[in-house]
Amino acid sequence: NAGVMQNPRHLVRRRGQEARLRCSPMKGHSHVYWYRQLPEEGLKFMVYLQKENIIDESGMPKERFSAEFPKEGPSILRIQQVVRGDSAAYFCASSPPWLQIPPPLHFGNGTRLTVT
Amino acid sequence: AQSVTQPDIHITVSEGASLELRCNYSYGATPYLFWYVQSPGQGLQLLLKYFSGDTLVQGIKGFEAEFKRSQSSFNLRKPSVHWSDAAEYFCAVGDDAGKSTFGDGTTLTVKP
Repeated sequence: NAGVMQNPRHLVRRRGQEARLRCSPMKGHSHVYWYRQLPEEGLKFMVYLQKENIIDESGMPKERFSAEFPKEGPSILRIQQVVRGDSAAYFCASSPPWLQIPPPLHFGNGTRLTVT
Repeated sequence: AQSVTQPDIHITVSEGASLELRCNYSYGATPYLFWYVQSPGQGLQLLLKYFSGDTLVQGIKGFEAEFKRSQSSFNLRKPSVHWSDAAEYFCAVGDDAGKSTFGDGTTLTVKP
C-alpha cells in the first residue's frame, strides 16, 4: 500500500511564475491537509480538503494560493506569481474518514520549492 | 486556538544516555497529542499518539511519552539514545476536525 505521494520532490521557479504541487493520498484516505515548513520552523497548517470540498482554509494566504482536491486525481496546491518568500517545503498529509477520534496524519516526503 | 510549545530548539545527548524532549500544549477540550520524527529531507513519521486512557503511551523505536493534564505537557522520553535517533522531533495537538497544530520542533544531536 503506497504512502502519500508528492511530486515533484524539488521545484525551482523564477519570481512571477506559477508553482503546482501535487499530492496523492494513501489509498482509502479521503482527507487531505497541506502544511508549509519554512527553514528552521515547524509545520504551519494551510488548508484541509475532502473530495471536491475545502473544509478549512484558515491557514492559506489570502492571495495567490489556492488548493483543490477533485473527485478524480490528486490534490493540487497552486501558487501563482511566486515570490522569494514562498520558498519552503510543502507537505501533504492524509487520513481516512473517522467516526469519533481523528486518526494521526500520514505525511508525504514533501515538495521543496525554491524561488529564484 | 490550540498551540504547542517546544521549549528546547536544540538538544545534544551522548549515545546511550537518556533523553527527554519537552512539549507543552494549549487546547480547550480533551487533546489529541502526537509526536512525530523528521529525518533530513523526509516527511514526518508518527512515533506515538495519546487520545485517552493510560497517560503513559508507548511508541515505536523505544520511545514513550507521558501526558500530564495538570501541567499541559506531553514530554517524549527514551531510556537509551542511539545514533540513528538524531533527527528533528515535533509535538502536535489535534482537534476534532483532524487538523494538527505543530510545535517548532526540537533538533536532536547524538554524540558518539
